[in-house]
Amino acid sequence: GEDVEQSLFLSVREGDSSVINCTYTDSSSTYLYWYKQEPGAGLQLLTYIFSNMDMKQDQRLTVLLNKKDKHLSLRIADTQTGDSAIYFCAESRAGAGSYQLTFGKGTKLSVIP
Amino acid sequence: DTGVSQDPRHKITKRGQNVTFRCDPISEHNRLYWYRQTLGQGPEFLTYFQNEAQLEKSRLLSDRFSAERPKGSFSTLEIQRTEQGDSAMYLCASSPDRGSAEAFFGQGTRLTVV
Repeated sequence: GEDVEQSLFLSVREGDSSVINCTYTDSSSTYLYWYKQEPGAGLQLLTYIFSNMDMKQDQRLTVLLNKKDKHLSLRIADTQTGDSAIYFCAESRAGAGSYQLTFGKGTKLSVIP
Repeated sequence: DTGVSQDPRHKITKRGQNVTFRCDPISEHNRLYWYRQTLGQGPEFLTYFQNEAQLEKSRLLSDRFSAERPKGSFSTLEIQRTEQGDSAMYLCASSPDRGSAEAFFGQGTRLTVV
């Protein structure tokens, strides 16, 4: 079955890099995503990567994909207090037609000033 | 504001009552999704529309739940005879047509059943 797993908590100091990890089980996953959710809010799409890529960089964000190990990571450089939020890893399959997303439970990132 | 809009943002209802939520997707987005998120969990897929056609439904969508998108624009999600277990955040997302994997979420409707 489909499953996406993440560690639940991460705490870093302001200015350090944060690395949030995710593993997934569905080998037919086509796209992998990172979403950010602040308290009481909806989900903000941060970035996504196609499964035939192994890295994507967008300003402070770097996504690494190890398809063999089904491991995805999100690195946030120079972490700021405004980065404190819950980060969700998600996957979808193009063949499913709808691109419905399967989410992990989220990693709560706390940034210490 | 050109984002996904959901209404209401919060709803408190008594057990057994019916509730209806509305979602206005990003203009010209043909795909529309409903998800449910309970405390401490990631969102779970409920249903998907391509234009006005409801093409996929999750096992989570019991017969008390019904979703519509009559003109292929806004969508409604109705829950009949609400139960305390229905308390959750209901999220709507929209996506452009084929070739795009991006889904943009609204702020959600938080339902509390008392």
